[in-house]
Amino acid sequence: GDSVTQMEGPVTLSEEAFLTINCTYTATGYPSLFWYVQYPGEGLQLLLKATKADDKGSNKGFEATYRKETTSFHLEKGSVQVSDSAVYFCALMDTGRRALTFGSGTRLQVQP
Amino acid sequence: DGGITQSPKYLFRKEGQNVTLSCEQNLNHDAMYWYRQDPGQGLRLIYYSQIVNDFQKGDIAEGYSVSREKKESFPLTVTSAQKNPTAFYLCASSIPGNYEQYFGPGTRLTVT
Repeated sequence: GDSVTQMEGPVTLSEEAFLTINCTYTATGYPSLFWYVQYPGEGLQLLLKATKADDKGSNKGFEATYRKETTSFHLEKGSVQVSDSAVYFCALMDTGRRALTFGSGTRLQVQP
Repeated sequence: DGGITQSPKYLFRKEGQNVTLSCEQNLNHDAMYWYRQDPGQGLRLIYYSQIVNDFQKGDIAEGYSVSREKKESFPLTVTSAQKNPTAFYLCASSIPGNYEQYFGPGTRLTVT
């Protein structure tokens, strides 16, 4: 079945550092890919998405490019802030069920 | 404001009791979902419903039940048959054909 693998956390960075969170997937066909963010005690918020190969999703300074050849969707940000501290989930859409399959999440801690 | 509401935010029950978690949306979405989140893990799909009066089991449906009598509501019952019910439960909804899912704030259930 479909699966998503994320790098384990926590990832600890200083403010203004460059962020990369790796995400790879296994799926039949070409699913839509997503990054969601979860702040403490809250539900998930969509951060960005890409629906086909070579698409780049971007939002709030975060970017991720849908790489079909490497089945990857790595999240990047050029300069993180303390307010970016949260758990980030990579996910793909199961086109049959139209439900999301999630990675295990990566906790990001940004220190001032 | 449109959105998804889940109540209550925190719920405590004794072992052996059934408990029902509420999920209501006013986004006019046809599809609704229930996910379970355990510490350090991604979200796992419990049940989903693409349309009123119809729902399907997800990956971990054992010990749970749902109903979908109204478009706006998708309550989840955690039965006494669920072996490890303590978790964070998230409800989501989406527009058919649009794979973006919107999440509620979650209910944290503790069973002792």
